[in-house]
Amino acid sequence: QVQLQESGPGLVKPSQTLSLTCTVSGGSISSADYYWSWLRQHPGKGLEWIGYFYYSGSTNYNPSLKSRVTISGDTSTNQFSLKLTSLIAADTAVYYCARGVFDVWGQGTMVTVSS
Amino acid sequence: DIVMTQTPLSLSVTPGQPASISCKSSQSLLHSDGKTYLYWYLQKPGQSPQLLMYEVSSRFSGVPDRFSGSGSGTDFTLKISRVEAEDVGVYYCMQGIHLPITFGGGTKVEIK
Repeated sequence: QVQLQESGPGLVKPSQTLSLTCTVSGGSISSADYYWSWLRQHPGKGLEWIGYFYYSGSTNYNPSLKSRVTISGDTSTNQFSLKLTSLIAADTAVYYCARGVFDVWGQGTMVTVSS
Repeated sequence: DIVMTQTPLSLSVTPGQPASISCKSSQSLLHSDGKTYLYWYLQKPGQSPQLLMYEVSSRFSGVPDRFSGSGSGTDFTLKISRVEAEDVGVYYCMQGIHLPITFGGGTKVEIK
């Protein structure tokens, strides 16, 4: 059974860079069958797709965040990561990692951007 | 971006009664491969979203058969034949045909 677990800081200062990691167990990010995505949910709001990583190394990002986002994968650790730069208060959200068509989700990690 | 519009915003349902949620997309979700890339998710209180339906009408593993999906092109519906207490939460539709992937605003289902 595939499980995903997000990890990273819960509090980040404005203008800094957020780095989150998603650890995949029970499956492999090297699989050609799935894309590996990051999504977020602002407090009390809906879902926003941030972008995905594919085993070939290809990525695709939401244009609304593209200039600030990097998603990468590490097959040696079976993890994929999110970097979001130039943080502002509006980046405060629960961040999720998910597989494929989002059939498997992590539990989510709350990130607050505040000085 | 494809805009996904869900109605109603909220629904209060008596247990055992049916419920229906509409989702409309600003562009057709029918792909040239013949599939329609419309998905439904349920986010129960305090939990991550969970996949209910994929490609309009296929139930994901473990989803009860009281859930059904229908529609084509730009108009879609999720129906719950008999709502149970465990069905409370926010339901989201999502399109996966055009990047960026986009979600509807959500429909909150409560029990009367």
